Amino acid sequence: DVKVTQSSRYLVKRTGEKVFLECVQDMDHENMFWYRQDPGLGLRLIYFSYDVKMKEKGDIPEGYSVSREKKERFSLILESASTNQTSMYLCASSLFVPGSSQHFGDGTRLSIL
Amino acid sequence: AQTVTQSQPEMSVQEAETVTLSCTYDTSESDYYLFWYKQPPSRQMILVIRQEAYKQQNATENRFSVNFQKAAKSFSLKISDSQLGDAAMYFCAYRSVTQGGSEKLVFGKGTKLTVNP
Repeated sequence: DVKVTQSSRYLVKRTGEKVFLECVQDMDHENMFWYRQDPGLGLRLIYFSYDVKMKEKGDIPEGYSVSREKKERFSLILESASTNQTSMYLCASSLFVPGSSQHFGDGTRLSIL
Repeated sequence: AQTVTQSQPEMSVQEAETVTLSCTYDTSESDYYLFWYKQPPSRQMILVIRQEAYKQQNATENRFSVNFQKAAKSFSLKISDSQLGDAAMYFCAYRSVTQGGSEKLVFGKGTKLTVNP
């Protein structure tokens, strides 16, 4: 069965901290994605990657960075966390095939105090 | 840029009845993919159904079917014989085919479906 695993389900951090959200997939997918989900705004793409060490900005990359050192792992980094980054973060992966569907993790609910 | 609009923030349906969720999109492309995803409360987002734009036949998955109107850029989801487990946020999504496999999804804002017993 396909699996996308996010390292934490709930996370509480303080303003100014450097925060790492980890995502691992076991499906040998080339594409990986980080979304932010807020009520009334749907899912907004932060960054995505279609290969190791490759990354592309999504719609809202400001304040975030990513790292993809291995095919199965895609990390989202909040360089200096701020309260407006309190949100639900979803990781997803998909094959590098036109039209392939994305598989999602359970999400990390991040609170910045 | 493509956009996806879900005009119904919330919908409700009685158990065993049928409900239709609306989705419209805007694109200048002729070939693309459309998806409906379901996100139950506090649970993982999962794929419900997928439609390829070049296929005229509407996709069906058990109790879930779509009404794909390409000219009208409309992609509605019909849930028949609604069950309590269908209660969730439903997201419509668009995926281009122009980038050789690395295309991102464009999501609507979602429709919250409540199923009443």
